[in-house]
Amino acid sequence: GQNIDQPTEMTATEGAIVQINCTYQTSGFNGLFWYQQHAGEAPTFLSYNVLDGLEEKGRFSSFLSRSKGYSYLLLKELQMKDSASYLCAVCSDRGSTLGRLYFGRGTQLTVWP
Amino acid sequence: NAGVTQTPKFRVLKTGQSMTLLCAQDMNHEYMYWYRQDPGMGLRLIHYSVGEGTTAKGEVPDGYNVSRLKKQNFLLGLESAAPSQTSVYFCASDVSGQEGYSNQPQHFGDGTRLSIL
Repeated sequence: GQNIDQPTEMTATEGAIVQINCTYQTSGFNGLFWYQQHAGEAPTFLSYNVLDGLEEKGRFSSFLSRSKGYSYLLLKELQMKDSASYLCAVCSDRGSTLGRLYFGRGTQLTVWP
Repeated sequence: NAGVTQTPKFRVLKTGQSMTLLCAQDMNHEYMYWYRQDPGMGLRLIHYSVGEGTTAKGEVPDGYNVSRLKKQNFLLGLESAAPSQTSVYFCASDVSGQEGYSNQPQHFGDGTRLSIL
């Protein structure tokens, strides 16, 4: 089975740094995605990791450790507009389930002024 | 650049009624997906398609049917709607499967908010 865990809620203040963790246990692994979803809107792609290490993209960075089944999304210089749900999704091995994504339940981040 | 378009955006049904949700993408993507999103449950895959004329079951396929007659369209049908199918439905597509592409992110439509009374 697939098990993807992330905290339900987090809060932080404007200008701060926040780290959202995601742990996973899946049968097969072919990469991990992070998506951002504002209330009432569609998820939008933030980052993708398939190899161990840190991927940086502006204020957002994502880290992956395959041996630990662990990833985090790091948001720096938080802005009010970063208040959203952040979804961790694991891509299964394409040979068996054709690259399907398994999503965690999402972490609702609230940024306070 | 429309991307992934879902129709309708909102719908209220009575128990037992049927309806079809339409998803259209203009990016020439091979893979298309239907998800439902419920509070506290995250996104769950209903059905997906890896190309025109193909469909496969996801995690929660019961009560739904799908068709992919044209590459750009993926239809989700509810034959006899039940209150448990009240949810937000998202369609997504990605370019996976096409030569030269490795893992690519899924592109989501804006969702269909469906209420079953």
